[in-house]
Amino acid sequence: QVQLVESGGGVVQPGRSLRLSCAASGFIFSSYGMHWVRQAPGQGLEWLAVIWFDGSKKYHADSVKGRFTISRDNSNNTLDLQMNSLRAEDTAIYYCAKDGGVTGSYLDIWGQGTMVTVSS
Amino acid sequence: QVVLTQSPSASASLGASVKLTCTLSSGHSSYAIAWHQQQPEKGPRFLMKLNSDGSHIKGDGIPDRFSGSSSGAERYLTISSLQSEDEADYYCQTWDTSWVFGGGTKLTVL
Repeated sequence: QVQLVESGGGVVQPGRSLRLSCAASGFIFSSYGMHWVRQAPGQGLEWLAVIWFDGSKKYHADSVKGRFTISRDNSNNTLDLQMNSLRAEDTAIYYCAKDGGVTGSYLDIWGQGTMVTVSS
Repeated sequence: QVVLTQSPSASASLGASVKLTCTLSSGHSSYAIAWHQQQPEKGPRFLMKLNSDGSHIKGDGIPDRFSGSSSGAERYLTISSLQSEDEADYYCQTWDTSWVFGGGTKLTVL
């Protein structure tokens, strides 16, 4: 079945870096755009980044631009999110999600999420 | 940039129907959206993609009790024969130069 499994979350100090990964299975990974979305405790969903099916285009939300970078490895069916200069307000559950198309549109498959806590 | 507006909360009785609304900002009434459900302590689940003409594509396994419709800048999610497991947060989402979520509606099943 179609599945997305995030990993890499944990507790990290402010200013440090963390890399999240998302392993995809059950669909042709290289044919779809992919997203990262986060949810701070008790808050709504916040879109973070999208990458085109072939990695040719990437877009990041203003809130993380310059600090977070989305990337993908189509040979290994994995999606990554490199997070630098982490802040307390980055504390959230981070979800990867599959796009319904080759470029960015609607999100049609979600992972279960991985928790990131930024605290000293 | 497009903005999506949702009422923070809604409630309806077990077995009844409820209609949730997502409103697109001015100038964006032709946009398609997606509806997502998030049950307590779970990750989101895609329900459907809803076009401006009311046509929609549902996610795998989404019951027929869930349906979508459109009118102007409004996008609706109707849930009929409400069940206890329908108590959840419902988010709409759209895209143009960025990808946007509405603030979510918390549905309580009485």
